[in-house]
Amino acid sequence: AQKVTQAQTEISVVEKEDVTLDCVYETRDTTYYLFWYKQPPSGELVFLIRRNSFDEQNEISGRYSWNFQKSTSSFNFTITASQVVDSAVYFCALSEYSGTYKYIFGTGTRLKVLA
Amino acid sequence: EAQVTQNPRYLITVTGKKLTVTCSQNMNHEYMSWYRQDPGLGLRQIYYSMNVEVTDKGDVPEGYKVSRKEKRNFPLILESPSPNQTSLYFCASSLSVASGRFVDTQYFGPGTRLTVL
Repeated sequence: AQKVTQAQTEISVVEKEDVTLDCVYETRDTTYYLFWYKQPPSGELVFLIRRNSFDEQNEISGRYSWNFQKSTSSFNFTITASQVVDSAVYFCALSEYSGTYKYIFGTGTRLKVLA
Repeated sequence: EAQVTQNPRYLITVTGKKLTVTCSQNMNHEYMSWYRQDPGLGLRQIYYSMNVEVTDKGDVPEGYKVSRKEKRNFPLILESPSPNQTSLYFCASSLSVASGRFVDTQYFGPGTRLTVL
């Protein structure tokens, strides 16, 4: 069955520190999509990245990078030189076809970046 | 502007009083869904719709109804709300089911905070 685990409930870092948010998933399928979303204190949900299971290349976008490893079923998110504006709840999500078109989110990690 | 809208944004009601939360998207998206967000539980999918007149249950459908009579609208109906349905609700839409098998990136509405007394 689909499952997404974000074991880190809350992380606090000091500004300019690097921080990694963990995401571990379970799936029966060999083909699937993984996503990260950001929910800032204002409450909206903002799409960050989508990764296809066939593409294991790591991706970098400015201070953000994502490490996808099928061998460990992980899709971790690193913020380099964190800033106060990075403070938010971050969700990892999984989309697979298992007879249904469900879209499963993890429980989220709250990141607090302190000035 | 491409967007998903929800109304109302805030709602306080009493147990048993039927209510509807509307959701509309202007992106011609096929896939729409509803989620509830509760502390410590993340986002849980209530219902989803693949297209007009095609809906299916998510992980927490009890106590909710949906309909998809038009492509752009996907209302969430609580026939007899109870206090355990107090939550933050999000509607989302996705352009398509990628390659006919997966739900692609979803775009979310601003959320509806519901309190049932």
